[in-house]
Parts: sequence; structure tokens; C-alpha cells
Amino acid sequence: GQQLNQSPQSMFIQEGEDVSMNCTSSSIFNTWLWYKQDPGEGPVLLIALYKAGELTSNGRLTAQFGITRKDSFLNISASIPSDVGIYFCAGRPLYNNNDMRFGAGTRLTVKP
Amino acid sequence: NAGVTQTPKFQVLKTGQSMTLQCAQDMNHEYMSWYRQDPGMGLRLIHYSVGAGITDQGEVPNGYNVSRSTTEDFPLRLLSAAPSQTSVYFCASRRGTAEEQYFGPGTRLTVT
Repeated sequence: GQQLNQSPQSMFIQEGEDVSMNCTSSSIFNTWLWYKQDPGEGPVLLIALYKAGELTSNGRLTAQFGITRKDSFLNISASIPSDVGIYFCAGRPLYNNNDMRFGAGTRLTVKP
Repeated sequence: NAGVTQTPKFQVLKTGQSMTLQCAQDMNHEYMSWYRQDPGMGLRLIHYSVGAGITDQGEVPNGYNVSRSTTEDFPLRLLSAAPSQTSVYFCASRRGTAEEQYFGPGTRLTVT
């Protein structure tokens, strides 16, 4: 299937540090998306990427759509305690724009 | 707007029982989807609908039925529950081809 490999699985960082996580696949995706999920809630969209090479920012978050269309990364700068949560990458496969595949998530813990 | 609502929040079923997970949205969104979330696996698409009267299968459709008789509602039916269907289920909706997908709060289902 169109699996997404997300890493790292978890991160423990100090407040103020920068964070980087990425997602790779053996298949091409048309769209890459990054979500954040807080405990007991559904995921919330952070950034959407539509073109290979695209670099997009949302406040302290920056994400890029890889040139090969098979990978994406998310950076968080100057982390704060409310950044705690699970971050998911997701992508829309080339063959079906209505389908969506998710990575397994990166659990972020920020120590004050 | 209530956004995307799901009922019930929690449910315990015995193997072989049937039930319907309810999902409703009041944003007049065309697209609605059902996902399941299992530990360490991210979200997986079960079924989706691109409009009233139109449904299609996602990545893991077996054991689940859906229908879309109105724009607002997209129920998910388990005809004969199995322990492998123990999971957290999320409903989501989005307008047209917009990427902003709104998730409901989830239903935690346990099948014993």
C-alpha cells in the first residue's frame, strides 16, 4: 500500500529548542499535510503543501514538500510547552485525490 | 456552528453485536470520511463520501458499511463486531477540494 514512514516516533526536548520530524514514502504523493493531535481530540491541520519543493511556514512551523514528491519534513522553532502533542504527516496518493494516508505520528514532549 | 459531532463518545460491544456510529456536520461540507486510529499506526481511511448518495471505500473498508442520504449525516455501521475493530473512530468533513479537514472528537470502541 501507500505507506508513510514517519520519524522519529517520539522526542523529548527542552523548551526553546528546535524540532525536526520527517515523513517518507516509496510512492509519490500529490499533497502533503501536517496535523497535530491533542489528547482526546481529533487531528487539526497545521500546514498543507501542494507542489514539489514548496516551503511553507505557519508561525514557528515550517514544512517542505520534497522534490521527489516522496517525502516531507516539519520543523518547529523555539518550542514551547503547548507544542506538546502528536504530530502526523499525511498525504494524498497520486492515483486518488480522495484517499489520504497517515504516518504513525511523532509524540513530542517539551520540558519547561 | 457545532462543527463535526460524533456519538457516542465511548462504546463497549460484545463480539457479533451490531451498532451504528453517528457523525453529523453543520458546515454544508460535501466530503465526509471515517477513519480508525490504532496505537502506533496513525489514522487509516475506512470509507468516504464526496456528496449525498455517493460513497466509496478507503484503505480498510472490510467489516464496515456506510451510507450518505443527507449532506449532514454520515453514519458508520458495524454489522457484526469483532475484537479487531477495537479502535478510536474519527469522522471528518471538508468543503469541496479544500484541504482543511475538520475532525470530530472521536468514538472509542471496545469489542470484547
